[in-house]
Amino acid sequence: DIRMTQSPYSLSASVGDRVTVVCQASQDVSNYVNWYQQKPGKAPKVLIYDGSNLETGVPSRFSGSGSGTRFTFTIQSLQPEDIATYYCQQHDDLPYTFGPGTRLEIE
Amino acid sequence: EVNLVESGGGLVKPGGSLRLSCAASGVNFVSDTINWVRQAPGNGLQWVSTIRHGGSIIHYADSVKGRFTISRDHSQNTVYLQMNSLRAEDTAVYYCSRVGFRDWGQGTLVAVSS
Repeated sequence: DIRMTQSPYSLSASVGDRVTVVCQASQDVSNYVNWYQQKPGKAPKVLIYDGSNLETGVPSRFSGSGSGTRFTFTIQSLQPEDIATYYCQQHDDLPYTFGPGTRLEIE
Repeated sequence: EVNLVESGGGLVKPGGSLRLSCAASGVNFVSDTINWVRQAPGNGLQWVSTIRHGGSIIHYADSVKGRFTISRDHSQNTVYLQMNSLRAEDTAVYYCSRVGFRDWGQGTLVAVSS
């Protein structure tokens, strides 16, 4: 199975800060990585699909990059409504696997 | 607007069965690849099963293989997850998703407890 690791596990930042989460795959997954935002009691919501594509309707402050085994997710200017847990996922090879999540808090 | 709605969750005893449904509106997903993903309370996300190409290709996570069966009814625009021999560790919110995991339903809670 492909293991997806995320760092940091949690982070606290201020409104307006630039926030970056890194996801590392244990083997090459091409660009088949999605990034999700999940708020308590809600379903995951895709923000970035296939590495760097911004999902329709998602604010442009969110971005993703990377291919192969290293992927980066960035929030350019953190907003209060961005408080959530963020997950990466590879859908290149079965079983599809998710990272453990990054909990984002506002300072 | 595409809408996926899961149903069929509930409380069941260990060893029992449930059938989850994933119904789609706003799209005819007869040829879509549909996935089930679950999330145990307080935990992360786990892929469970995938059905593609109208049902001719099916995959399961090792943890559910032999106990869960995914299927689809084209006439009802619905995908099912039949869950048998349920265990406490199957307790989770179950989500269905489509199109490379870009569309998700709201989830349905399955609780396995005596």
